[in-house]
Amino acid sequence: AQSVAQPEDQVNVAEGNPLTVKCTYSVSGNPYLFWYVQYPNRGLQFLLKYITGDNLVKGSYGFEAEFNKSQTSFHLKKPSALVSDSALYFCAVRDTGSARQLTFGSGTQLTVLP
Amino acid sequence: GAVVSQHPSWVICKSGTSVKIECRSLDFQATTMFWYRQFPKQSLMLMATSNEGSKATYEQGVEKDKFLINHASLTLSTLTVTSAHPEDSSFYICSARPGENTGELFFGEGSRLTVL
Repeated sequence: AQSVAQPEDQVNVAEGNPLTVKCTYSVSGNPYLFWYVQYPNRGLQFLLKYITGDNLVKGSYGFEAEFNKSQTSFHLKKPSALVSDSALYFCAVRDTGSARQLTFGSGTQLTVLP
Repeated sequence: GAVVSQHPSWVICKSGTSVKIECRSLDFQATTMFWYRQFPKQSLMLMATSNEGSKATYEQGVEKDKFLINHASLTLSTLTVTSAHPEDSSFYICSARPGENTGELFFGEGSRLTVL
């Protein structure tokens, strides 16, 4: 079985401050990990992914995420938040040893305060 | 990145009518497309996997006769909500993956269905 947990429903951060959106996962094999962002009444936009290689992955709009195998985490980070980063963020995982499709976390609403 | 187009963006219909939502991959061919349902402030729930030229694979608990999926070409999948009722009101999103199996999914803009 595969699962994803986003422990925070809501994250608030001041503009210019660093932000972190947390994600932990559970798979039986090796994971493919993804972050997506969703703006109101829109589809999901791909931010970044970890397949293999460097644990620190850089993605769109200045976001990055660090794969930590021992902690089974894939937290999303950005050094300096923008008001326009306010949106709903989803972490997703796929078990490479499984035929199952992506499993999404419950989502974290990020609000960047001006 | 790859583009997935979904139409219509918004649809309002009367209870008992059927509604068709289209999902197109504009710049790539997709043998497989995915349909999701999203309730307000909740995550995406995979409804079914749409396979070009064959029957869709439905997730447990999703009614096949209620949500008809047709994937007639490599660039088009349709979801028809048959005899819609207010409880079918939701945000429906499709996605597709070009190329290798390790790649990311690309999503349509979603379709907001409201059944009166």
